[in-house]
Amino acid sequence: AQRVTQPEKLLSVFKGAPVELKCNYSYSGSPELFWYVQYSRQRLQLLLRHISRESIKGFTADLNKGETSFHLKKPFAQEEDSAMYYCALQGAGGGNKLTFGTGTQLKVEL
Amino acid sequence: EAGVAQSPRYKIIEKRQSVAFWCNPISGHATLYWYQQILGQGPKLLIQFQNNGVVDDSQLPKDRFSAERLKGVDSTLKIQPAKLEDSAVYLCASSSGPVIDYGYTFGSGTRLTVV
Repeated sequence: AQRVTQPEKLLSVFKGAPVELKCNYSYSGSPELFWYVQYSRQRLQLLLRHISRESIKGFTADLNKGETSFHLKKPFAQEEDSAMYYCALQGAGGGNKLTFGTGTQLKVEL
Repeated sequence: EAGVAQSPRYKIIEKRQSVAFWCNPISGHATLYWYQQILGQGPKLLIQFQNNGVVDDSQLPKDRFSAERLKGVDSTLKIQPAKLEDSAVYLCASSSGPVIDYGYTFGSGTRLTVV
């Protein structure tokens, strides 16, 4: 079985402070991992994929297989980063099925 | 390109009534997904279609939920009869290829309240 755990329901930081949204997964094989974001009154959308090793809107995420983690980081939070963030996993041979975590609400305060 | 369209946006029904949701994916997207998102939880896959065939419906409560994708384009998800615990946002998503390369494109969802 595959599982994604996001331990924090709410993370509140000040503008300019570093951000780390935690994601841990449980999967016996080699997973593909994603971060999705939902801004207020907008649709759920893809933020980044671990396989592309990209930085989107200043966010990065590194897959740590030893710790089974895929934490999302940004060195300096901006007000527009306030949103709901979901970590998601696709298992090998999973037929494109994504398993989502419960999400973390990020609030960036001035 | 036009996004994934869903209707209605909101629906309130009484328990034991039936309800149907509609989804129109992005043109050319062969794969369509229905997810259920209960308040405070992440989206959970209900059913996945590839064209008009079912790929995965292992988490679909088949005693009350049904879904179809006739002609491999639009899809409908039905609940009959509804229970209180079916209150959730029902999300439709589509993709044009492997999710690792293309990700999903989500619709805005239908918020169902069962009273």
